Amino acid sequence: EAQVTQNPRYLITVTGKKLTVTCSQNMNHEYMSWYRQDPGLGLRQIYYSMNVEVTDKGDVPEGYKVSRKEKRNFPLILESPSPNQTSLYFCASSLISESTDTQYFGPGTRLTVL
Amino acid sequence: EDQVTQSPEALRLQEGESSSLNCSYTVSGLRGLFWYRQDPGKGPEFLFTLYSAGEEKEKERLKATLTKKESFLHITAPKPEDSATYLCAVQARTGNQFYFGTGTSLTVIP
Repeated sequence: EAQVTQNPRYLITVTGKKLTVTCSQNMNHEYMSWYRQDPGLGLRQIYYSMNVEVTDKGDVPEGYKVSRKEKRNFPLILESPSPNQTSLYFCASSLISESTDTQYFGPGTRLTVL
Repeated sequence: EDQVTQSPEALRLQEGESSSLNCSYTVSGLRGLFWYRQDPGKGPEFLFTLYSAGEEKEKERLKATLTKKESFLHITAPKPEDSATYLCAVQARTGNQFYFGTGTSLTVIP
């Protein structure tokens, strides 16, 4: 089954404790992306990657890191989480075509930073 | 600056009462406009992609249309199972980022 998976689905942590949220897709998609979703602000793009070893900042990259060592995986790293990073996080992937790129989303990771 | 605005924020319809959701956008050359459905606590589910003004796409009770400045998602004779948040997003031709609106929360009352 074609899908985007994220782990963990729920995470409660404390300020400053490094964490990683994993994202994996089995569709051989070149494009992968991370979003955060907050009430009243909608989905905002954090980082995206066009292919292996190619990453770029989205609208809200501060406090986050990503890496793309393999095509299927795109982990999101919070080196020193803070309470304002409490949010619902989504990973997405898509093919890259000449016309446009339909993204497929994972189930989400709800992160609480105390 | 690329921007997406959706209206209304919330919409309550009686079952069978047709209506439209609006997505207006400002983008430096549209590469694609997307509609997604999102159920509470779940990831957005892809509905449609529109590429150019005048284009229309349909799926069951939903029909999406596109002009140079906005898109509409028409819902014909909605059912309670159509209740969800509908998200609109755009991708500019000049970049690789996606910009989402804040969504319209639709409730269909039996």
